[in-house]
Amino acid sequence: SQQGEEDPQALSIQEGENATMNCSYKTSINNLQWYRQNSGRGLVHLILIRSNEREKHSGRLRVTLDTSKKSSSLLITASRAADTASYFCATGSNTGNQFYFGTGTSLTVIP
Amino acid sequence: DGGITQSPKYLFRKEGQNVTLSCEQNLNHDAMYWYRQDPGQGLRLIYYSQIVNDFQKGDIAEGYSVSREKKESFPLTVTSAQKNPTAFYLCASTLSGRGETQYFGPGTRLLVL
Repeated sequence: SQQGEEDPQALSIQEGENATMNCSYKTSINNLQWYRQNSGRGLVHLILIRSNEREKHSGRLRVTLDTSKKSSSLLITASRAADTASYFCATGSNTGNQFYFGTGTSLTVIP
Repeated sequence: DGGITQSPKYLFRKEGQNVTLSCEQNLNHDAMYWYRQDPGQGLRLIYYSQIVNDFQKGDIAEGYSVSREKKESFPLTVTSAQKNPTAFYLCASTLSGRGETQYFGPGTRLLVL
């Protein structure tokens, strides 16, 4: 069963604007990861945040995690046309054996 | 180059036919995974394997089978029992299967003739 749910399902912004997408999950997690998928391609790992972390940065990416609300957000600053893709959150269970992916946010950055 | 390869890129299946999707990795990862992705959807786990000669069913294992005879290889067979096989299939691996970063192959798109 899919544990994560992203919001919004689709997002369209102008180049240079910031993009924020959210992920909610249902059970206790070991970590939460964000992935990007270009159309018809495999997923690429973006960032991992552990359950004892609240915020993490990587380049233009900022991820927050609120375990009390079982939610995470991904912020992409100064977006570029090349950021156009689908973004998925994935949660690792406490047993660490499986990952659960959300349904994804489709981001379109208009040049 | 290190990474995960999947073949073929496109695969066509006839009614009643079994087909096998290949997944190979040279990352020396212990754990490997197969996911199915339907249009506009997230990934659903079919099978995963944490060590050679051992694998577990995921959420949607019915109609699929796997083997893990070598650390580098985790082929997926879509059997005739899978009545709706049209989807995008993704293989992934992690170092030890303990919730670390997953590395994905480029995917195989399976279509039914």
